[in-house]
Amino acid sequence: AQSVTQPDIHITVSEGASLELRCNYSYGATPYLFWYVQSPGQGLQLLLKYFSGDTLVQGIKGFEAEFKRSQSSFNLRKPSVHWSDAAEYFCAVGLIKAAGNKLTFGGGTRVLVKP
Amino acid sequence: GAVVSQHPSWVICKSGTSVKIECRSLDFQATTMFWYRQFPKQSLMLMATSNEGSKATYEQGVEKDKFLINHASLTLSTLTVTSAHPEDSSFYICSASVSQYNEQFFGPGTRLTVL
Repeated sequence: AQSVTQPDIHITVSEGASLELRCNYSYGATPYLFWYVQSPGQGLQLLLKYFSGDTLVQGIKGFEAEFKRSQSSFNLRKPSVHWSDAAEYFCAVGLIKAAGNKLTFGGGTRVLVKP
Repeated sequence: GAVVSQHPSWVICKSGTSVKIECRSLDFQATTMFWYRQFPKQSLMLMATSNEGSKATYEQGVEKDKFLINHASLTLSTLTVTSAHPEDSSFYICSASVSQYNEQFFGPGTRLTVL
């Protein structure tokens, strides 16, 4: 069965500094990868996704992620963090085109932004 | 486009009562809807997958008689928590996709508190 690991439970970053959130997955086939953001008490918003093609993916709100097959990773980055980026971030692996499109989520990383 | 709503956004009920949560796709027809449960400061756990007009498929460990799912139309799925107990208190999030092979769009979630 596939699994998703987000090694960092919490990350604190100063406003204006860069941010990188790690995501590793374990899956036998080529995965479909997603990053979602969740503000407190809210649902999930899709930041970006990777299905195929260019391994560097651009998303909304200035985020990008890079798929590295050799490392089974899909790390999320942002060059300059804004206070509004404080939220919970989830990496997810999808089984689109098989098994009914299920998503498996990582444990999440909570980002705190210092002024 | 691709907006999913949930109603109610929060609900408080007494132990032993049943609670119904609605999930609607507002601007597209969702043949597949998913229900997730999220405990505080934890990740999303898939409870079940429902396809319009069919019985829901429940994940291992989820009691189908406890969590009744109905997907009677292409825009509406309901989750009924029967005979609710305090341990059922959680954040319930639904998602919808055009087909089982397309990405999911998430609702804002429903916070259930059972007293």
